[in-house]
Amino acid sequence: KNEVEQSPQNLTAQEGEFITINCSYSVGISALHWLQQHPGGGIVSLFMLSSGKKKHGRLIATINIQEKHSSLHITASHPRDSAVYICAVNPYNNNDMRFGAGTRLTVKP
Amino acid sequence: ETGVTQTPRHLVMGMTNKKSLKCEQHLGHNAMYWYKQSAKKPLELMFVYSLEERVENNSVPSRFSPECPNSSHLFLHLHTLQPEDSALYLCASSRTVTGGWEKLFFGSGTQLSVL
Repeated sequence: KNEVEQSPQNLTAQEGEFITINCSYSVGISALHWLQQHPGGGIVSLFMLSSGKKKHGRLIATINIQEKHSSLHITASHPRDSAVYICAVNPYNNNDMRFGAGTRLTVKP
Repeated sequence: ETGVTQTPRHLVMGMTNKKSLKCEQHLGHNAMYWYKQSAKKPLELMFVYSLEERVENNSVPSRFSPECPNSSHLFLHLHTLQPEDSALYLCASSRTVTGGWEKLFFGSGTQLSVL
């Protein structure tokens, strides 16, 4: 079982819908990351957080350290949000970032 | 543009070929990484370099050989690969390699097909 589990694996939404992607992890961490991977491969870091909530434009990331759970929300979704969203964690005292398998989001116009 | 450049973007090679992937970062970072991304699987760490010294090697077959001549450049030399090595190979960098609060900056990857 992967130490970082994401759900759902695939998500299709209509433009304008509110989207939630979930991430659960099983190790103690110092930070959690949300990454975005567009077709073509490049990965961009969206958020890095260790507690609470962060917001950037239409994107919101939350984390509950006690429950070992994080969510990524997208408000007023747009077709350009279509991408794979990856959750990753930095375990304590470990250089090896652990990754989820990703959630493939498709937003239809 | 993340400041990490990978070439080539696409590579097709036979099992007997020798090729190299190149990565260059313009961010002044001290740590560089090679990751492998196979279809529908999480990213797998292959190698970590800190200040040009290899600090981690995750049981990668010897047909993959990394080289880090300076803190801005990273290579992955490939020889006698197998079809199951076909994947997206991603380079990344970070300010330091100490775990925790370090953000990774990724290149666009090299999509490798081994015939």
